[in-house]
Amino acid sequence: GQQLNQSPQSMFIQEGEDVSMNCTSSSIFNTWLWYKQDPGEGPVLLIALYKAGELTSNGRLTAQFGITRKDSFLNISASIPSDVGIYFCAGQLPSGNTPLVFGKGTRLSVIA
Amino acid sequence: DTGVSQDPRHKITKRGQNVTFRCDPISEHNRLYWYRQTLGQGPEFLTYFQNEAQLEKSRLLSDRFSAERPKGSFSTLEIQRTEQGDSAMYLCASSLVIAQNEKLFFGSGTQLSVL
Repeated sequence: GQQLNQSPQSMFIQEGEDVSMNCTSSSIFNTWLWYKQDPGEGPVLLIALYKAGELTSNGRLTAQFGITRKDSFLNISASIPSDVGIYFCAGQLPSGNTPLVFGKGTRLSVIA
Repeated sequence: DTGVSQDPRHKITKRGQNVTFRCDPISEHNRLYWYRQTLGQGPEFLTYFQNEAQLEKSRLLSDRFSAERPKGSFSTLEIQRTEQGDSAMYLCASSLVIAQNEKLFFGSGTQLSVL
């Protein structure tokens, strides 16, 4: 099946630092979604992207849909302790009603 | 709160028993998805419904798994003769497709432990 490569797998940062993570695929996607998951909970939608080149912000979060349609990145500015969690990218193929495919996640730890 | 609701939150069962999970989607959403997630992995697609029609099933969904959405509202996922490998978080999500743009909203999941 389709695979999304998400990097880095994990990162440790100081509070106040900016964070960048990305997701790549060998296939073209027509939708990229970014989610955050806390332990024992379901993923929570952060940002949705539908057009190549689209740049969308949600508070301190910014995500972009890559021009090639095979990648996306998520930036978090001025990190705070509650940013701790696992961030997942998810993509949807353009071929009709296909389900979302998820990456393996980036585990973010913030050191106060 | 009108988010996606899943019940139970946790289920512990013995190998060989049957279990059933319930999902109540966001009321105006017409699509409902089931995903499974194991530790250290992203969610993996199992099956989805558009209204009451089950449109796609993953090869991960063995014949011991069955899902229903009888009236196009809530859905149930049943696992028969559970195995230890079925231990995972089972996630339900719903969506409303507008102009081919889709956003999935997830519930809190059902954590299944098979002993």
